[in-house]
Amino acid sequence: EVQLVESGGGLVQPGGSLRLSCAASGFSFSTHNINWVRQAPGKGLEWVSYISTSGDSTYYADSVKGRFTVSRDNAKNSLYLQMNSLRAEDTAVYYCARLYCSGGTCYYYMDVWGKGTTVTVSS
Amino acid sequence: SYEVTQPLSVSVALGQTASITCGGNNIARKHVNWYHQKPGQAPVLVIYRDSSRPSGIPERFSGSNSGNTATLTISRAQAGDEADYYCQVWDSNTAGWVFGGGTKLTVL
Repeated sequence: EVQLVESGGGLVQPGGSLRLSCAASGFSFSTHNINWVRQAPGKGLEWVSYISTSGDSTYYADSVKGRFTVSRDNAKNSLYLQMNSLRAEDTAVYYCARLYCSGGTCYYYMDVWGKGTTVTVSS
Repeated sequence: SYEVTQPLSVSVALGQTASITCGGNNIARKHVNWYHQKPGQAPVLVIYRDSSRPSGIPERFSGSNSGNTATLTISRAQAGDEADYYCQVWDSNTAGWVFGGGTKLTVL
């Protein structure tokens, strides 16, 4: 079964740090680009970050640029999101989502999502 | 940065057709993707690249994109279609993914 499983969420104080993980299984992880998407309580979806198959290309939303860092370990089929200088507005469910790729061509839609991990930033 | 706009809510009678719009400047030049999300669950892709359906999504779901508006159409609406629906595009200018604010679909 194709699956993404996030972990690492929790309660953290403003200004603190947290590292999220996303474990992939059931597909060739190294051939897929991956996004992080978040959803604040009662709000809509917000794209956070992107990482390419090899990890040599990354993009970030302006709201997290300079504070969050995405990385991956293809040998471990794992994706990470290092979150520093956390703010109350970073409180959200964080999803990792696979970008569809086929035959070496990758597209801009997310066909597999994890169930998410909850991050709460509060004192 | 590019913005897409969705109505906050859409209601449809059971068995009728619902249309959810996604507006954006010349959105027809972009590929639009649609997701639905039920409470407490992760989003699920229902339409990609304007009008294609992933495997497992019923034929009742269809999409179109023209001018400044993309539309998700749900025919013969069922109670199980109640969910929040999000459109999404890729903004090449900012190298980012853009989501609409989401539309809550209610089946009456």
